[in-house]
Amino acid sequence: DAGITQSPRHKVTETGTPVTLRCHQTENHRYMYWYRQDPGHGLRLIHYSYGVKDTDKGEVSDGYSVSRSKTEDFLLTLESATSSQTSVYFCAIRDPGTGNPVEYFGPGTRLLVL
Amino acid sequence: ILNVEQSPQSLHVQEGDSTNFTCSFPSSNFYALHWYRWETAKSPEALFVMTLNGDEKKKGRISATLNTKEGYSYLYIKGSQPEDSATYLCAPRGGNNAGNMLTFGGGTRLMVKP
Repeated sequence: DAGITQSPRHKVTETGTPVTLRCHQTENHRYMYWYRQDPGHGLRLIHYSYGVKDTDKGEVSDGYSVSRSKTEDFLLTLESATSSQTSVYFCAIRDPGTGNPVEYFGPGTRLLVL
Repeated sequence: ILNVEQSPQSLHVQEGDSTNFTCSFPSSNFYALHWYRWETAKSPEALFVMTLNGDEKKKGRISATLNTKEGYSYLYIKGSQPEDSATYLCAPRGGNNAGNMLTFGGGTRLMVKP
């Protein structure tokens, strides 16, 4: 267990409503990520953070924003949810390790936008 | 964004068959290659990290090889079992990628029939 939790685990919402997903880590690692699962694309990076208040865009950042006010929490916000944002969202943390860094994933949040 | 290709996209084998699949990635600015195993309704689980050309890693019946000069990695499963059914993701980490992010391929979905 990499010490990552996500909340909520499941969410149903309506088009146009804001939604915030939370990722919490107990490992005190610097890097945190939000990915979404898309058929045929594996996992695609939405946003990532390399420290408190330090964030940057990933491959599919449009329609999403993030915030990191504490090392342990990384929040993903859908400002106005659309049906195309129906997906499973995974948070990950980077464990720098003693040699090569490895990313570990949280359990995922399943989001359905109606 | 790195162009990462995995083939085949899906594979059906009988229990006891040995199988292998391919991950192709840009060979320039290579840093490391990660393999993940992703069971349905679960989160991706780290299998291997490889960095050196000619690297070979093994975990039980699963092994992987790496060719950084030509930009490919093979994942082998010897004597497939139903519990090996999962999607296998590869993800290179590029040295020129801002923050050295992982870029995931689309995955190979393996289904092992008893």
